[in-house]
Amino acid sequence: DVKVTQSSRYLVKRTGEKVFLECVQDMDHENMFWYRQDPGLGLRLIYFSYDVKMKEKGDIPEGYSVSREKKERFSLILESASTNQTSMYLCASSTPGAFPYEQYFGPGTRLTVT
Amino acid sequence: AQKITQTQPGMFVQEKEAVTLDCTYDTSDPSYGLFWYKQPSSGEMIFLIYQGSYDQQNATEGRYSLNFQKARKSANLVISASQLGDSAMYFCAMRENNNAGNMLTFGGGTRLMVKP
Repeated sequence: DVKVTQSSRYLVKRTGEKVFLECVQDMDHENMFWYRQDPGLGLRLIYFSYDVKMKEKGDIPEGYSVSREKKERFSLILESASTNQTSMYLCASSTPGAFPYEQYFGPGTRLTVT
Repeated sequence: AQKITQTQPGMFVQEKEAVTLDCTYDTSDPSYGLFWYKQPSSGEMIFLIYQGSYDQQNATEGRYSLNFQKARKSANLVISASQLGDSAMYFCAMRENNNAGNMLTFGGGTRLMVKP
C-alpha cells in the first residue's frame, strides 16, 4: 500500500513564525503536491513537484514556498505565518507510470495560526 | 469560471437507500479524466472511482458508479445501498491531460450524512 505521511496532525503557530510542514511518501512517486483545504472551497493546489529539486506553482502559491531535496520528501514552508493561513494542509503523491495516475493523500495537518 | 462544481453542500440519505452526488465540469481539453474521492472525518482522502473522457461505459467500483454524461459535462457519483460508514465528504476532481504533473482540480465537496 502507498503510504503518505505528514509530520504533524495538528499544529499551532504564532503570527510571523516560520512553519515547516513535512511530507514523506514510500512508493517512489515522481509527483508530489501540496493543497490547502477550506470549507466550501475544496482543495486548492499550492505547489507541486514532478522531480527532485523541481517545483511548479499551483493556484495559490503566495505566502508559501516548497523544497524537494529527496524524491520521497516534499516540504511546505510558510516563511512568515499569518492568520489567513489557518487551514487544513494535505500532501499527495502520484506516478505517471500507473494509470489512471490517481493521487494518494496523507492524513493532513490542521494548522492554526494565532 | 469554476472548473468543477458540486452544487450540494450537504445531503442526507437513509441507510440502505441509493444516493446521487452531483458534479459538473468545464474544460476545452478533449482528453481528461474525472475522479471521485471520499474524505472521512479522519481526514485522509480515499480514491473511489475514475472515468476517462473517451470511456464508452460508465465506471463502476463495487457500490460506486459514475453516471457520466459527456454532452452535459456531468459526472455524478451514485452510491447504492448506503451504509453508515459512507458518511463523509465527497470530492469530484478533474485532470486535464494537457497539464504537466497530472494535476487535479477539485470541486468544493458534498457532505453526505447517512441516517440509520
